Amino acid sequence: DIQMTQSPSTLSASVGDRVTITCRASHSISSWLAWYRQKPGKAPKLLIYQASRLESGVLSRFSGSGSGSEFTLTISGLQPDDFGTYYCQQYKSYPWTFGQGTKVEIK
Amino acid sequence: QVQLVESGGGVVQPGRSLRLSCAASGFTFSNYAMHWVRQAPGKGLEWVAVISYDGSNRYFTDSVKGRFTISRDNLKNTLYLQMTSLRPEDTAVYYCARDLEIVTVTVPHYWGQGTLVTVSS
Repeated sequence: DIQMTQSPSTLSASVGDRVTITCRASHSISSWLAWYRQKPGKAPKLLIYQASRLESGVLSRFSGSGSGSEFTLTISGLQPDDFGTYYCQQYKSYPWTFGQGTKVEIK
Repeated sequence: QVQLVESGGGVVQPGRSLRLSCAASGFTFSNYAMHWVRQAPGKGLEWVAVISYDGSNRYFTDSVKGRFTISRDNLKNTLYLQMTSLRPEDTAVYYCARDLEIVTVTVPHYWGQGTLVTVSS
C-alpha cells in the first residue's frame, strides 16, 4: 500500500499568513492526489484534485502543487474560516490512502 | 442538489454483522462510482471501499477484505456496505461519497453526514 505522510501535524497561524502543508507519498503517484478539509463534526470537503486542480467553488487562495511523491497545499492569506483538519489522499493505486491530517488553528 | 443519507449504524457485538445503506438523490446515481470512507473516533480518515458505476468493479482496503462487501442498486439509487465479522477496530463514523467524475473512479466528492458504527460487547 502507498503510505501518505503529512507535515506538520498541527500548525497555528494568523489571519493573512501564507500557510503550506506538505504531503509525501511512499511511492510515486504522478499527480493523483487530492486535498480535503474537514471541520469538527462535519464531512470532509474536496478542495483540490489531480494535485493542482481547484474544485469548483473553492476559493483561489487555495492552491496545490507537486508531482511524483512530494506535494504541497498552500493557503495564501489565511482566513478565519480556514480552520480545520486538512488531509491529502492518493488515488494512484488501490487501496486509496489518506495522510494522517494537519490541524490548522487560527491564532 | 446532491444528497447522500447514510443509515443502518448502531451498536453491535464483535463478530456480528451490520448493513449500512446510503440513499442518493439529486444526481444520476447510475453514472457515478461510489465510495465508503470511515473515521474512528478522534482519528483520521480511512478509505474503505469503492464500487464502479455499474457494479462491475469493487475494491477494498486490506483490513476489511473478506469481511465487507460493497454493492449498489441503481434502480433504488442506493449504496450498501455489508459488514461481517465486525471487530472493535471497525468502530467509526462511516461516510458514503459520490465520485467526482462520471463513469470513471477518481476521488470522493460529495459526502453524506455519516453513520456511527460501534462494535462493543
